[in-house]
Amino acid sequence: GAVVSQHPSWVICKSGTSVKIECRSLDFQATTMFWYRQFPKQSLMLMATSNEGSKATYEQGVEKDKFLINHASLTLSTLTVTSAHPEDSSFYICSASRGQTQETQYFGPGTRLLVL
Amino acid sequence: QKEVEQDPGPLSVPEGAIVSLNCTYSNSAFQYFMWYRQYSRKGPELLMYTYSSGNKEDGRFTAQVDKSSKYISLFIRDSQPSDSATYLCAFMDTGRRALTFGSGTRLQVQP
Repeated sequence: GAVVSQHPSWVICKSGTSVKIECRSLDFQATTMFWYRQFPKQSLMLMATSNEGSKATYEQGVEKDKFLINHASLTLSTLTVTSAHPEDSSFYICSASRGQTQETQYFGPGTRLLVL
Repeated sequence: QKEVEQDPGPLSVPEGAIVSLNCTYSNSAFQYFMWYRQYSRKGPELLMYTYSSGNKEDGRFTAQVDKSSKYISLFIRDSQPSDSATYLCAFMDTGRRALTFGSGTRLQVQP
């Protein structure tokens, strides 16, 4: 149990276009979902936290108008990278938490984004 | 000072060796302590989590937490080539409800 999927697994796009990444909890209801970004040989950096039906909370330095997060249901959250630039190229990983205490997060397989 | 310090490695050991991975932290608010394993180009997989000082064992893995020294460890017994991955320590304080990760230690187990 506790499987999280992401789609697409990788995407290549032109600079200036927008890209949407989906994160789904397949066999549980996720009270909270998290979006991370990971650059090569670096650790995961939290971008934002989202609760179903409410606005996402963004970490300091993350542009909320550039990285749009929608958590429309207890099993789906989306991250849209708007007007993508080459510096947005990274590995984007979502995680989902099902418990009230949130001590356990289950991670998706990640989406590799390359902006040309 | 970084909030979490983790030796990036790489750490190379022969098959069957005992592996010791460590992290230190400075934030006293951290209440939950976790270890994740991440294979190349994959998402992290939770291995162990604990919230108290002491040892917790699960199969070949033992997590150790020393809150007084702000130091956590993960021991892997009888290491296997399939254990070759990057190991991330992670911390959470209940007030913030988000994970703070170490930079990861890359482990290679040689057959």
